[in-house]
This record gives sequence, structure tokens and C-alpha cells, in this order.
Amino acid sequence: DVKVTQSSRYLVKRTGEKVFLECVQDMDHENMFWYRQDPGLGLRLIYFSYDVKMKEKGDIPEGYSVSREKKERFSLILESASTNQTSMYLCASSPGQGIEKLFFGSGTQLSVL
Amino acid sequence: GIQVEQSPPDLILQEGANSTLRCNFSDSVNNLQWFHQNPWGQLINLFYIPSGTKQNGRLSATTVATERYSLLYISSSQTTDSGVYFCAVELRYYGNNRLAFGKGNQVVVIP
Repeated sequence: DVKVTQSSRYLVKRTGEKVFLECVQDMDHENMFWYRQDPGLGLRLIYFSYDVKMKEKGDIPEGYSVSREKKERFSLILESASTNQTSMYLCASSPGQGIEKLFFGSGTQLSVL
Repeated sequence: GIQVEQSPPDLILQEGANSTLRCNFSDSVNNLQWFHQNPWGQLINLFYIPSGTKQNGRLSATTVATERYSLLYISSSQTTDSGVYFCAVELRYYGNNRLAFGKGNQVVVIP
């Protein structure tokens, strides 16, 4: 069965901390994505990657960076967490060139105090 | 950029009722998907539907790409249908593909 695993379900951090959100997929998918979800705003794309060591900015990349050293792992990094980065973070993956089917992890609810 | 608008934003249904959710998009797209997010936050792909009609049990979807809209039908609703339904359109972006999501339809089915 398809699986996208996010390392933490809930995370509480302090302003200014460096935060790592980890995502691992076991389907050998080329494409991986990080979204954040906020009430009333839907899902917004932060960063995406179509290959190892490759990354592209999404719609709201400011304050974030990513790392994809291995095909199965895509990490989202908050260099200096701020309260406006409190949100639900969703990782997703899909195979091939298109996005015929997107598989999501169960999400990480991050609170920055 | 492209606008993806979903209506109605909120819907309360009596169990057993039917409903229609709508997704309008402002530009031509490569594809369109519908997702369901359950109350625990898990997102599941329901339909991958660039055009035409597809059915999966009590759910069906229709996309009319030339008129830039898609409809999701829920028939004989059950409490497990509660959650948020998202429409996402696939764009071609600098040689790669990506999805743009609407803000969702919040559906509550009451017994």
C-alpha cells in the first residue's frame, strides 16, 4: 500500500528556532511537494521537487527552504520559525511527469510560540 | 495566476440527502482532481478527471473543461462523507506540472 510518512503529527517550537519537518515516501515517486493549510485559505504550495537534489519554489517559499538528498525523503526547513508559520504542513508525492495521482501524508500541525 | 473557486464553502446535509459541489477555474488546465480530507486531516484522492464523467460508488464527478468547471455529486450521503472536499487543477509550470487548490467545501453530514 502507498505510504507517505511525516515524522511528527504535532510539533511545538519557539520563535527563532530552526525547525525540520521530514517526509518519507516508499513508492519510488519522482515528485514530492510541501503544502501548508490554513483555515479559509486552502492548500498553498511552498516548495516542490521533481528529482533528487532538485527543488523549485512554490507560491509561498519565503521563510522556508527544502532538501532532497535522497529520492524517498523531502525535508522542509524553517530557518528561524515565526508565529505566522503556525500551520498544518502537508507533504505529498506523485509518480512520473504528470500529477495523475497525488498521495498525501497525514500532516504535521506546527505551533510556533 | 489561475483562480480556483469552490462553492458552496459550507454545507450541512441530513444523512441520505444528495448534494452537488462546484469548482470553477479561470484558465485552461491540463487536468483536475477532487480530494476528500477527513476530520482527522488525511487527504485522499477521489477523482482524476480532465473531462467527462466518472463514478465511484455514491460519488461521481463531471468536468466540462471548455466551460472551466467541475462538479462533484454526493448521493445518499453518509456521516463518513463529512470533511472538506478540495478541487485542484493541474498547471504546466516551467516545463513541470503542479497543482493549484481551491479553498474547499466544508461538508457536515448529520445523522
